[in-house]
Amino acid sequence: AQSVTQLDSQVPVFEEAPVELRCNYSSSVSVYLFWYVQYPNQGLQLLLKYLSGSTLVESINGFEAEFNKSQTSFHLRKPSVHISDTAEYFCAVSDAHSGGGADGLTFGKGTHLIIQP
Amino acid sequence: KAGVTQTPRYLIKTRGQQVTLSCSPISGHRSVSWYQQTPGQGLQFLFEYFSETQRNKGNFPGRFSGRQFSNSRSEMNVSTLELGDSALYLCASSLARQGAEQFFGPGTRLTVL
Repeated sequence: AQSVTQLDSQVPVFEEAPVELRCNYSSSVSVYLFWYVQYPNQGLQLLLKYLSGSTLVESINGFEAEFNKSQTSFHLRKPSVHISDTAEYFCAVSDAHSGGGADGLTFGKGTHLIIQP
Repeated sequence: KAGVTQTPRYLIKTRGQQVTLSCSPISGHRSVSWYQQTPGQGLQFLFEYFSETQRNKGNFPGRFSGRQFSNSRSEMNVSTLELGDSALYLCASSLARQGAEQFFGPGTRLTVL
């Protein structure tokens, strides 16, 4: 079984400041890692994912996350946030050796990123 | 390419009734997964269908069921509704490869009175 812990339920940040959203996971098997973003009244959108290879992954809108196997973490960072980044962010894992197919994602509780002008 | 669509977007039911939610995946996607999102429990995996077969299942009671049709469209059914079933139900489709991105629909907001 897997679990995901997002340590902060809310993170207030001033516009143009850097931000880090923390994510730790627990699993007895290898995992794939994901960050999803949910804007108000919308479904989830994939921000970035780690499957294998380079431990630093980036999204097209300036977010990045680093997979740290020893600390079982996948923290999300952005060097300078904008008002438009206000949203709920979810970290998720799936089993990397399930035999293929779309496995159920195990999500964290989410972090509400609040950008203050 | 059209995204994942879910109908209806909003639904109000009373306790004891049953409900059916519908999901149309992205064209070419054969895997459809369902999730329940509530303020208290967050996002929880319900089940996943591929080629009309349920392949994975989360930890939900048997009142929650689903099916998938030959065109990959999927329906989710909840019988004997309880107040605690009030939630946003999200459907996601994917190419069913390991690590493939799941594309989410906007969800169906179910309110049980």
